[in-house]
Amino acid sequence: DSGVTQTPKHLITATGQRVTLRCSPRSGDLSVYWYQQSLDQGLQFLIQYYNGEERAKGNILERFSAQQFPDLHSELNLSSLELGDSALYFCASSVGPENTGELFFGEGSRLTVL
Amino acid sequence: AQSVTQLDSQVPVFEEAPVELRCNYSSSVSVYLFWYVQYPNQGLQLLLKYLSGSTLVKGINGFEAEFNKSQTSFHLRKPSVHISDTAEYFCAVHNTDKLIFGTGTRLQVFP
Repeated sequence: DSGVTQTPKHLITATGQRVTLRCSPRSGDLSVYWYQQSLDQGLQFLIQYYNGEERAKGNILERFSAQQFPDLHSELNLSSLELGDSALYFCASSVGPENTGELFFGEGSRLTVL
Repeated sequence: AQSVTQLDSQVPVFEEAPVELRCNYSSSVSVYLFWYVQYPNQGLQLLLKYLSGSTLVKGINGFEAEFNKSQTSFHLRKPSVHISDTAEYFCAVHNTDKLIFGTGTRLQVFP
């Protein structure tokens, strides 16, 4: 158990819809990262938040957005969903603002878009 | 830009046999390198890391990896695998504020 909690574990929705994925980092960790894992793209970094502020941005689509709340949990919002958005979305956390490469991952949220 | 190439998408091996999972990276600067493991239906877990110093690094569950700067490689090895090592293994390179993962190698251990 990494200490990172993600909900929901599974989500099935239709194209054009909007979903929100939630992540609670490990106790004491201030950074939250979002990754997308799909068969064709592999593991892609989406975005990082540190203590409520956006810290780094990766291959995140404009239809996607994220935020980190004062209690440090984070939400990833995916809108205007397309079939290609079907993937496993991971949240990871670390202590400080710098990504040292040592991340603690949750078990992921599997999104299926029909 | 830094990148990681995992040369084998799948590696089948019998239990108690040795295994090597290959990883090559490209970078023009000093690198930090990592191996992560993803067991079925779980998140990624750090297996080992190379930051500096000794080129042979040891990780959890009996795995080790060797950093080879001249060959830009960071291959993962285990002298004797167990059924429980069946998982997806990801090599990753640290790039400024990001961790860039390879496409993964599926290790399948057969009895």
